[in-house]
Amino acid sequence: EPEVTQTPSHQVTQMGQEVILRCVPISNHLYFYWYRQILGQKVEFLVSFYNNEISEKSEIFDDQFSVERPDGSNFTLKIRSTKLEDSAMYFCASTSHRDRGQETEAFFGQGTRLTVV
Amino acid sequence: AQKVTQAQTEISVVEKEDVTLDCVYETRDTTYYLFWYKQPPSGELVFLIRRNSFDEQNEISGRYSWNFQKSTSSFNFTITASQVVDSAVYFCALSEAGNYGQNFVFGPGTRLSVLP
Repeated sequence: EPEVTQTPSHQVTQMGQEVILRCVPISNHLYFYWYRQILGQKVEFLVSFYNNEISEKSEIFDDQFSVERPDGSNFTLKIRSTKLEDSAMYFCASTSHRDRGQETEAFFGQGTRLTVV
Repeated sequence: AQKVTQAQTEISVVEKEDVTLDCVYETRDTTYYLFWYKQPPSGELVFLIRRNSFDEQNEISGRYSWNFQKSTSSFNFTITASQVVDSAVYFCALSEAGNYGQNFVFGPGTRLSVLP
């Protein structure tokens, strides 16, 4: 069974520090996503990435956030200067390309719990 | 705009009871996908099912079954003979097909507690 892998599983960082969350999507998938879940709340969309560029982003994804696919296998989320309210579980996901009207397979990683202190 | 509502915030049942988790969605698109995910206490999101808008056939997988009704924009999830291991938060999600892949809109989740 193919899977999306995220590292680290838990990251603790000081406020104001930069963090990079890493994800290895499923190898033949073309669409990549980051989602965030603040403790006890719902899962929220941050950004989608296709063809080496951001295809869509939410209002949460401000200038402090950036994404990159540096080497064709990893997909990273960088938070430039972390704030306390960035503490959350961050999920990476990937989907295979499908034309409109066809099904897609969506796989989520196990998440990275980010704690900003 | 897309929206997913899960009216039940928390449900508690006793083991072996059947339980239905409700999901109501809103979308203007004619092509969309519906999902259920399970989030156990360990935090990961476990994929349970995907349904596309053209397939209203109900599905059964072991103790799990799903009832998709486009007329009421609902995609309800039933666990038969619940077990303690079913205790988790369950999320319903909606995705609309677009040119650049799909992003998911999640409902707020229903926390299911199955008591022994």
